[in-house]
Amino acid sequence: GAGVSQSPSNKVTEKGKDVELRCDPISGHTALYWYRQSLGQGLEFLIYFQGNSAPDKSGLPSDRFSAERTGGSVSTLTIQRTQQEDSAVYLCASSLAARQSGELFFGEGSRLTVL
Amino acid sequence: EDKVVQSPLSLVVHEGDTVTLNCSYEVTNFRSLLWYKQEKKAPTFLFMLTSSGIEKKSGRLSSILDKKELFSILNITATQTGDSAIYLCAVEPGNTPLVFGKGTRLSVIA
Repeated sequence: GAGVSQSPSNKVTEKGKDVELRCDPISGHTALYWYRQSLGQGLEFLIYFQGNSAPDKSGLPSDRFSAERTGGSVSTLTIQRTQQEDSAVYLCASSLAARQSGELFFGEGSRLTVL
Repeated sequence: EDKVVQSPLSLVVHEGDTVTLNCSYEVTNFRSLLWYKQEKKAPTFLFMLTSSGIEKKSGRLSSILDKKELFSILNITATQTGDSAIYLCAVEPGNTPLVFGKGTRLSVIA
């Protein structure tokens, strides 16, 4: 596609439920990132995929969070047993480079609200 | 721990004013510093800076990096209401993903 596509754009769920957020990066981009942005906060790094390498999961806040990237393209971020503190905008970004060399292209984000 | 600090956190100005946004950082193996503008949802790229003292300019926006003092500034001259946004500073440390500051929320009122 022309840009990074994320779905759903908004998700409201009850505490304890599982949610899946989807990211479709720009075609040809080998690197894919998930960030989280809570109200009034900057972007918090969650996880990074680069080609066929093992993902960098160092930013995942707990074992309730996981992500996968199938076929080197679409990625799914899964949050199990959601908590209210998980409420945030989850932003996906992609970039061309094998190593990060600057510009990330961001999607519009998925706003998650946990009641 | 890598850290990026932006100031001020929020700013309200009138149209036509000039503003300066600040970004200081502490990172290992600095590679580059980037500025993004976030109006509603998706941050959009403004500048990437890698060398000290070289100003990057795009229209009314400009930015410069000081690698000795570990900071960057983003200047916006003759501000317009369309400049209202959150301005994010991010630093690329070595082989790890971008580290972002909390952003500066700029509001330009007519």
